[in-house]
Amino acid sequence: DTEVTQTPKHLVMGMTNKKSLKCEQHMGHRAMYWYKQKAKKPPELMFVYSYEKLSINESVPSRFSPECPNSSLLNLHLHALQPEDSALYLCASSQVVRWVSEAFFGQGTRLTVV
Amino acid sequence: TQLLEQSPQFLSIQEGENLTVYCNSSSVFSSLQWYRQEPGEGPVLLVTVVTGGEVKKLKRLTFQFGDARKDSSLHITAAQPGDTGLYLCAGGIQGAQKLVFGQGTRLTINP
Repeated sequence: DTEVTQTPKHLVMGMTNKKSLKCEQHMGHRAMYWYKQKAKKPPELMFVYSYEKLSINESVPSRFSPECPNSSLLNLHLHALQPEDSALYLCASSQVVRWVSEAFFGQGTRLTVV
Repeated sequence: TQLLEQSPQFLSIQEGENLTVYCNSSSVFSSLQWYRQEPGEGPVLLVTVVTGGEVKKLKRLTFQFGDARKDSSLHITAAQPGDTGLYLCAGGIQGAQKLVFGQGTRLTINP
C-alpha cells in the first residue's frame, strides 16, 4: 500500500472560518509533509514532521497550524485565511533516512478562500 | 539555497517522437526523484536515483543521475498521448529531510 489519503478533496471557506485538512498514511513512514501548490507552479514546502515532531517550518504564517497526532495522521488547521491562500494543498510521507527517500503524495485538497 | 533548474519548461511534440527533459543544479543532492502530475492531482513518483551515474529504465522512460549528483535527465522514447502531464524533478537534501523541486516541464504529446 503506497497510498496517502487526503480529505476533503475540495474545500471552500470564508475568511472568518476555521477548517482542517486531514492526511493519513499506513506505510509506516515517520516523516510527513505539507506542501502548497499554486497553479502552474511546483509544490512549495510548508512543514515537515519527523517522528511526530515538527522539524521544519518554512516561515509559514500562523494562520496555518499543523498537527501530527500520531505516526499515521497529519492535520493542517486553517483559520482566518486570505484569498491568496487558495491553492492545492498536498500531503506527503516518506521514510526517515540519512538521505531523503522518495516522498509519496496524496491527491491533494483544492482549497478556495472566499 | 539549493536550486534545481528544469528545461524546457514547456514541450509540445507529436506522438512517436523522442524527448529529453533536463534537471540541473550547481549543488550536490543526496538523491533525485522524478514525479509526474496530472491537473488537480498530487505528484506521482516515477523513480528515485541515488548513485552518481545511475541509469534507471521504466518502460519507455530512461532516467539518469549525473556522475557528480548535480543533474539528471529524463528521456522518453516514442512518446504517447498518455505521457502528457507535468514532470517534476526533486532533489533530496541530506540531513534536512526536505525535497527541492524544479519548476517543472509541462509536456504535451499530440496524437
